[in-house]
Amino acid sequence: GAVVSQHPSRVICKSGTSVKIECRSLDFQATTMFWYRQFPKQSLMLMATSNEGSKATYEQGVEKDKFLINHASLTLSTLTVTSAHPEDSSFYICSARERTPQNGYTFGSGTRLTVV
Amino acid sequence: GEDVEQSLFLSVREGDSSVINCTYTDSSSTYLYWYKQEPGAGLQLLTYIFSNMDMKQDQRLTVLLNKKDKHLSLRIADTQTGDSAIYFCAESINTDKLIFGTGTRLQVFP
Repeated sequence: GAVVSQHPSRVICKSGTSVKIECRSLDFQATTMFWYRQFPKQSLMLMATSNEGSKATYEQGVEKDKFLINHASLTLSTLTVTSAHPEDSSFYICSARERTPQNGYTFGSGTRLTVV
Repeated sequence: GEDVEQSLFLSVREGDSSVINCTYTDSSSTYLYWYKQEPGAGLQLLTYIFSNMDMKQDQRLTVLLNKKDKHLSLRIADTQTGDSAIYFCAESINTDKLIFGTGTRLQVFP
């Protein structure tokens, strides 16, 4: 089945630094990828929709200058958390959709970001 | 608006059936999904149902959809300890983004 690889799985960074998270579709092309944020014991919150070759679409309340999304190819989307602060600490998950919705959305394994 | 609700917690004995319920508000949902999340991991697609279907069965999993009441359920037969996880229902709006439910933590005890 479809596989989405997400790296790193865990990262600890200092306040003020930037962190890049990668999301790759391994055996299919994904024109659209999605980035979610999950707080402990809570549901997934959609942050943005990443479109290959164009600008990402951000959900209301998500700062696009803080969470930079780049979808330069059909198999790779990146999320960069810029000038990270402790409140950015969270679990970030990407997902990609195959050609047909019946196949559902395949999720990466997530990235645990801790900002100290 | 988009709102997907689930009960927060379910505890069942090993071997019994589990039923996880979900209600949604957006009638334009096209597909509805059930995902499983184990601790510290991503989401695993368990099954899905198209909005014009009433029921779908896949091995131990049975999905029931009541579109009139906007109610979705997932039944897990012969629940095992390995089924302990958080289960999320999700609706696909106009086949685009997914809206997730609040998640149900299933605990299976011997």
